[in-house]
Amino acid sequence: AQSVSQHNHHVILSEAASLELGCNYSYGGTVNLFWYVQYPGQHLQLLLKYFSGDPLVKGIKGFEAEFIKSKFSFNLRKPSVQWSDTAEYFCAVNARGNNRLAFGKGNQVVVIP
Amino acid sequence: GAGVSQSPSNKVTEKGKDVELRCDPISGHTALYWYRQSLGQGLEFLIYFQGNSAPDKSGLPSDRFSAERTGGSVSTLTIQRTQQEDSAVYLCASRDWDRGPSHTEAFFGQGTRLTVV
Repeated sequence: AQSVSQHNHHVILSEAASLELGCNYSYGGTVNLFWYVQYPGQHLQLLLKYFSGDPLVKGIKGFEAEFIKSKFSFNLRKPSVQWSDTAEYFCAVNARGNNRLAFGKGNQVVVIP
Repeated sequence: GAGVSQSPSNKVTEKGKDVELRCDPISGHTALYWYRQSLGQGLEFLIYFQGNSAPDKSGLPSDRFSAERTGGSVSTLTIQRTQQEDSAVYLCASRDWDRGPSHTEAFFGQGTRLTVV
């Protein structure tokens, strides 16, 4: 079964700083990849997704992620964060042909104004 | 409906009591997931339903946990003889699997916060 690793569970940074969150998965086949975000008091919502094609994916609110197949990674980036980006971010993987959607433990990101 | 709906939003129960958590998926979505979210533990997969296929129950932590999905729509997660370690947020998600798993994402409800005292 696939598993997902997220590093640096707690991240604190100042507004305008750049953000990069790592995501690595363990599955050798074709995968669908997702980043979800959970703002305080809100439900999980999709930030961006990768199914095929261009490995650099752009999502909402200026976020992007790059799929590097050789590194089994799907890191999330944002060049300049805002206070409103304070949230918990989850990486998820769905192996093709497998119904289970596996999540990492999440990154709690706090942006200081 | 417009989104995934879960009820109740909060549930406080005494240790040893049974609880039922409900999920109304997005209309037409054939795939439904239950997850448990605990602080610092991410989302723990519990069970998955897809159409009329047998559910994938491999994530259920013990035989006190069960779930059913009636008529391919509403799902109920039941926890029997609740324990304090069952305290968590239980999340439901649905997915439009019929469009093909290569093109769809899961949509989540607000969750049910369960507190066992």
